[in-house]
Amino acid sequence: GESVGLHLPTLSVQEGDNSIINCAYSNSASDYFIWYKQESGKGPQFIIDIRSNMDKRQGQRVTVLLNKTVKHLSLQIAATQPGDSAVYFCAENDNNAGNMLTFGGGTRLMVKP
Amino acid sequence: DAGVTQSPTHLIKTRGQQVTLRCSPKSGHDTVSWYQQALGQGPQFIFQYYEEEERQRGNFPDRFSGHQYPNYSSELNVNALLLGDSALYLCASSLGRLNSNQPQHFGDGTRLSIL
Repeated sequence: GESVGLHLPTLSVQEGDNSIINCAYSNSASDYFIWYKQESGKGPQFIIDIRSNMDKRQGQRVTVLLNKTVKHLSLQIAATQPGDSAVYFCAENDNNAGNMLTFGGGTRLMVKP
Repeated sequence: DAGVTQSPTHLIKTRGQQVTLRCSPKSGHDTVSWYQQALGQGPQFIFQYYEEEERQRGNFPDRFSGHQYPNYSSELNVNALLLGDSALYLCASSLGRLNSNQPQHFGDGTRLSIL
């Protein structure tokens, strides 16, 4: 498949280590946030979401942290695996204005075996 | 349970031509959004359809238009194609439109190349 994100910031981690991907969002009215994973040649795949009334949410091997004060979102992946290699995007939405996602620029995660 | 499906997967057109891209939403979803993703960038919102009407629009010219059918499937039409329209076009579906806090689920996109 073709490459996604040829010139994106890259995070390189060793297999088994934890990964932290950061995202700064722009709209203080945003109240819903989503992390997506995009592999080469595919569309964005939903990973985890969080509403603005929470500051932490956990899924399977993933945790999302939300800091509304500084408009910052992070995705933590525990025990990173080669299959986690992809481009990760955060997206924000102001639900009172509709369901229109605004995406960040993306981070490429490379997992070294 | 079928996810979001898009057709065609790849398309090559020349400047000035017109193109129609198609999307079938995930089963149970009634809202379809279209995004344009240039190489190396995040997706950008084009517009959203709900109840067969365009409900929201991003910063795209009116060369970009769409349609939603009663079965919730949708089309994206682009007229007078420009070289800069070359991109991956993504369709996303969700349930409900306002205050739904429901994630949008994406298809694998149509790669449009303009020569």
